[in-house]
Amino acid sequence: DTGVSQDPRHKITKRGQNVTFRCDPISEHNRLYWYRQTLGQGPEFLTYFQNEAQLEKSRLLSDRFSAERPKGSFSTLEIQRTEQGDSAMYLCASSLATGNHNEQFFGPGTRLTVL
Amino acid sequence: GNSVTQMEGPVTLSEEAFLTINCTYTATGYPSLFWYVQYPGEGLQLLLKATKADDKGSNKGFEATYRKETTSFHLEKGSVQVSDSAVYFCALSRSSNTGKLIFGQGTTLQVKP
Repeated sequence: DTGVSQDPRHKITKRGQNVTFRCDPISEHNRLYWYRQTLGQGPEFLTYFQNEAQLEKSRLLSDRFSAERPKGSFSTLEIQRTEQGDSAMYLCASSLATGNHNEQFFGPGTRLTVL
Repeated sequence: GNSVTQMEGPVTLSEEAFLTINCTYTATGYPSLFWYVQYPGEGLQLLLKATKADDKGSNKGFEATYRKETTSFHLEKGSVQVSDSAVYFCALSRSSNTGKLIFGQGTTLQVKP
């Protein structure tokens, strides 16, 4: 297994455009997370899936953001009508929930630049 | 609410120096605590973890002890190498149901030969 992959690695878009990112987790992992990281800050939680169910969304996730995990495998994160403030690194992580602790494995991230 | 505070960087050390990066947290109950590392151009990697009070996590010569009385999880290494240059993030996971991580702002470590 090659770990968590994300596509694209970089995305440059103009303000007002829609963008979609993809995350492929480690194959047997049932949990999938999206985080956002801005320069000089730690990642901030956006949303979480267990299998195909989206179980938690951060208040950071405005109505312009939507995430799906239709078959409990890969996930997409879409941002509609992008704004300059959306420029950030979007990180995906996956884990296999066991007991009270689960180690999250992170992908390389998608860097979004909104012009 | 739950939060993590790390010492501000950058931290610049000479090779073989002793490293401490301070991390304190605020959380209800008994969170799990983590250190993640981000090497230049790479994704976040779990460095070590501790899931209950007085546990010591260790990996690659790094150690951190879960101190509930001081709500701290300081990262230490006895002798750093140039290859340890990276950004280090302290994090906690409060909810065993979701496992979402709450990160500190990160501390950049630069080790000079």
